[in-house]
Amino acid sequence: NAGVTQTPKFQVLKTGQSMTLQCAQDMNHNSMYWYRQDPGMGLRLIYYSASEGTTDKGEVPNGYNVSRLNKREFSLRLESAAPSQTSVYFCASVGTSDSYEQYFGPGTRLTVT
Amino acid sequence: AQSVTQPDIHITVSEGASLELRCNYSYGATPYLFWYVQSPGQGLQLLLKYFSGDTLVQGIKGFEAEFKRSQSSFNLRKPSVHWSDAAEYFCAVKAAGNKLTFGGGTRVLVKP
Repeated sequence: NAGVTQTPKFQVLKTGQSMTLQCAQDMNHNSMYWYRQDPGMGLRLIYYSASEGTTDKGEVPNGYNVSRLNKREFSLRLESAAPSQTSVYFCASVGTSDSYEQYFGPGTRLTVT
Repeated sequence: AQSVTQPDIHITVSEGASLELRCNYSYGATPYLFWYVQSPGQGLQLLLKYFSGDTLVQGIKGFEAEFKRSQSSFNLRKPSVHWSDAAEYFCAVKAAGNKLTFGGGTRVLVKP
């Protein structure tokens, strides 16, 4: 049981390049989330998926797109990376509906130059 | 809209001393509250949560937190810190759709 996995762990992009961050969970969770973490700002929600086939914007969705490929996988795409997207990105999934506990992946550190 | 404030950005504490981290929230209904810990280079791990009932909740690693509705607070405490408690701590409140709103975090440094 690996929990929530993310790839890659580190990435450096040039401005304007695109990339996809991958996330998978093996806990049969319905809901999945993408956050970005910036110093002093905590974690801010980019997009979330309440269930397979649905996605919704969070607090900071501009410049990002997501795909809920199946129940296990939720990817985050940067179509044209900007320096303001330099951050650490975390994927999370929610356990049973009565616990609300979010399980986090190890993160992807992205630098855009 | 809900919000979470952690007033202390950094706290330095001596090993063996007590620790208290402050968290204030703004939420219209009864809040579901969480404390997470993030060790350097790691993801977030749940320390404890409050949904209802006893306002003093126990968590992992010897941490506890007290919910005070009158003060809109959910402060985290540990009686005696260990060097391994050096980390960043995040308070969060559950919003609609199982979303979490996080505070800005408090980084804890432990002096030997």
